[in-house]
Amino acid sequence: TQLLEQSPQFLSIQEGENLTVYCNSSSVFSSLQWYRQEPGEGPVLLVTVVTGGEVKKLKRLTFQFGDARKDSSLHITAAQPGDTGLYLCAGASHQGGGADGLTFGKGTHLIIQP
Amino acid sequence: GAGVSQSPSNKVTEKGKDVELRCDPISGHTALYWYRQSLGQGLEFLIYFQGNSAPDKSGLPSDRFSAERTGGSVSTLTIQRTQQEDSAVYLCASSAQRKKSPYSSYNEQFFGPGTRLTVL
Repeated sequence: TQLLEQSPQFLSIQEGENLTVYCNSSSVFSSLQWYRQEPGEGPVLLVTVVTGGEVKKLKRLTFQFGDARKDSSLHITAAQPGDTGLYLCAGASHQGGGADGLTFGKGTHLIIQP
Repeated sequence: GAGVSQSPSNKVTEKGKDVELRCDPISGHTALYWYRQSLGQGLEFLIYFQGNSAPDKSGLPSDRFSAERTGGSVSTLTIQRTQQEDSAVYLCASSAQRKKSPYSSYNEQFFGPGTRLTVL
């Protein structure tokens, strides 16, 4: 069974600060996806990383996939109240889902205080 | 274009009743997935359909759970004789295949809004 450890589980910071969320596993993933989920809604895909060492940027969000494709991080620069939400990482073992579906971390509840 | 849709958005039922949850995937997506999200548990994979192929049911928590997909499109998740521990948000996703290299690809899953099931 593949496991994804996500940390921190909860994070509350002031507007303008930087933060990093980590996603770690002992398993290798063929790709890894980051989602953001608001209360009462389904997860919304932010980015997919597929190559070891890959870095992707989405405005103030920077996503990195570890060289060995076992870990990933999400860094937010100058956090805004609109960044508040539940951030989920999810790994795919075979061609992005396959028969096992995605393995999800338990999520990071992020609150940005104005 | 339209995203994944699910119905109903909320369902309250009594213990022992059967419920049916519906998922309409994004048009053209051949793969469809069901997940369950419980408080403090994260998202748990339940079942996966690829086109009209027989699904992998190994993630279903008990034999009270079943799912079908008609015509390679709409899917229904059925829970028989519901129990209070079945209370959760049930999420459906469909996936599109993307090119990783000339020789490999990966899937990106897009989720619906979910059905919140409450069993009294």
